[in-house]
Amino acid sequence: DAKTTQPPSMDCAEGRAANLPCNHSTISGNEYVYWYRQIHSQGPQYIIHGLKNNETNEMASLIITEDRKSSTLILPHATLRDTAVYYCIVPRPNTGNQFYFGTGTSLTVIP
Amino acid sequence: DADVTQTPRNRITKTGKRIMLECSQTKGHDRMYWYRQDPGLGLRLIYYSFDVKDINKGEISDGYSVSRQAQAKFSLSLESAIPNQTALYFCATSDRGRDTEAFFGQGTRLTVV
Repeated sequence: DAKTTQPPSMDCAEGRAANLPCNHSTISGNEYVYWYRQIHSQGPQYIIHGLKNNETNEMASLIITEDRKSSTLILPHATLRDTAVYYCIVPRPNTGNQFYFGTGTSLTVIP
Repeated sequence: DADVTQTPRNRITKTGKRIMLECSQTKGHDRMYWYRQDPGLGLRLIYYSFDVKDINKGEISDGYSVSRQAQAKFSLSLESAIPNQTALYFCATSDRGRDTEAFFGQGTRLTVV
């Protein structure tokens, strides 16, 4: 099972890009990388996911290294509302969309 | 209206009582999940269901049971609540396939005294 490693906390200045790293060195070729965030104690919110190529949507960009062993979530212009815990998840194979959450990265956006 | 609705949102119950947490969804998804979250920790999977009458244990199923009454409804029961089951509980749904995201409810805060 692919496990992920994230730094426990990060700070980012408001208006700057927030780059959140994730290591998933045991990922296999058909496993996706998903990112979610949880604001305070609300339900986790989907941000983005990818397999091999870099992805971008209205919320963020996902950069996956060529060997797929790590990825970076980029919030291009962080706002105070982006303060949250960010989870990098690799769902287990053959178990549908079971998402096993670690402790994530607590991002604090500083005014 | 929310796509994934959990009831109740908050509940205080006594040790030994049976309690049921309910989840309903309007996404039309086949797959539903129950998670619990303890302070400062990530979410841990309790049970999941890929379809009506399909039930699977997650990481921490002891002390819990579930019922998938219909595609849209998935209930979590604590047969005899104990204080260490005090936690925030989340229900989630997802479509079939590996390339789909999960949608979460707003959570149920359960306190067992």
